Amino acid sequence: EAGVTQFPSHSVIEKGQTVTLRCDPISGHDNLYWYRRVMGKEIKFLLHFVKESKQDESGMPNNRFLAERTGGTYSTLKVQPAELEDSGVYFCASSQRVGHATFGPGTRLLVL
Amino acid sequence: GENVEQHPSTLSVQEGDSAVIKCTYSDSASNYFPWYKQELGKGPQLIIDIRSNVGEKKDQRIAVTLNKTAKHFSLHITETQPEDSAVYFCAATNDYKLSFGAGTTVTVRA
Repeated sequence: EAGVTQFPSHSVIEKGQTVTLRCDPISGHDNLYWYRRVMGKEIKFLLHFVKESKQDESGMPNNRFLAERTGGTYSTLKVQPAELEDSGVYFCASSQRVGHATFGPGTRLLVL
Repeated sequence: GENVEQHPSTLSVQEGDSAVIKCTYSDSASNYFPWYKQELGKGPQLIIDIRSNVGEKKDQRIAVTLNKTAKHFSLHITETQPEDSAVYFCAATNDYKLSFGAGTTVTVRA
């Protein structure tokens, strides 16, 4: 089966700009997660979708971040406006059942 | 919430030697402990996991041990090979939300 794919692989933007990250989960996986690793620290949970519904967005840093999963397939994570501290690697993961998540390759975001 | 600490942050071993990475967790409700390996340019890949009703699990050259009383779990890699060089993450959870350690960069010297 195809794995979790993420686009773009890298993004360099200026502070104040908008960036949209996309994640395509493994087909049939209802659970989709976003995580972030900032500055070589631990990977932190951002949010969890079950199909198109947000189950838990307790890890979202602030209201500059908006995640959507229209139709319960792919998901987007928009950062608007981006700040310097948003730089990091954004991982998407999916699973058929809770737990046992398969991670994508990540999007490396650099905000200048 | 859950807090996972991981040590060491870097580990250099001679090829053929063993590598041990240790993690501690804070939430006694955590019952699932996966380990991930991240190679350059790739996402974290699950390499082994253990549940709280098991004390030890082995898969070829890798093994994980869990001490629920002390809230410790460890990853052991034996007979290390150059392809074991990567960043390793431990994690803990009792549901869907993984709490990760900060990662260990393992370098295997030829």
